[in-house]
Amino acid sequence: GAGVSQSPSNKVTEKGKDVELRCDPISGHTALYWYRQSLGQGLEFLIYFQGNSAPDKSGLPSDRFSAERTGGSVSTLTIQRTQQEDSAVYLCASRNRDRGSYEQYFGPGTRLTVT
Amino acid sequence: QQQVKQSPQSLIVQKGGISIINCAYENTAFDYFPWYQQFPGKGPALLIAIRPDVSEKKEGRFTISFNKSAKQFSLHIMDSQPGDSATYFCAASVLSGSARQLTFGSGTQLTVLP
Repeated sequence: GAGVSQSPSNKVTEKGKDVELRCDPISGHTALYWYRQSLGQGLEFLIYFQGNSAPDKSGLPSDRFSAERTGGSVSTLTIQRTQQEDSAVYLCASRNRDRGSYEQYFGPGTRLTVT
Repeated sequence: QQQVKQSPQSLIVQKGGISIINCAYENTAFDYFPWYQQFPGKGPALLIAIRPDVSEKKEGRFTISFNKSAKQFSLHIMDSQPGDSATYFCAASVLSGSARQLTFGSGTQLTVLP
């Protein structure tokens, strides 16, 4: 079946503008994660959604970052008043928590460049 | 305590050689250790994973060796091929509250020369 999809694949924005990044998880996957990958670095956890539970926002780096997940499926990560240090690849992953699987399936990412 | 330290940062191996990437962790609550492979422009993909109740897991040319007492684990790629050239991430997973978290190493860029 279809994997995790993300859009846009690339986004160039000016400093100070707001951006929205979208993630479509694998159908039926109840857990959804957002990560940030800076150039040459590992993946930094941002936020986690599980079903209708309150999200785990412990990884969000500042209050400029927020995310929502509508209807337990699609998720949107919003970065307000973007800064140059926000430039990175933003990855989304989903997991079939209800089947007890630990494996996270990643999308291709959105490359964000803040000029 | 949540860190996973990965080395080397980059690795160059001749075709047919063995590639070895090492990771170390501190948090003894980690209970699942996956390795991810990432090609340029793609998201990471699960390569192989191990739980701490076994010391080794092999899948084809890929083997994880796990040393619980030393809190270390490693990925061995036998008969390395140019198509294996990618960035490899180790990770460690723990249940934190109701969330299963993955903590990633910093990555190893592997180049296999033809």
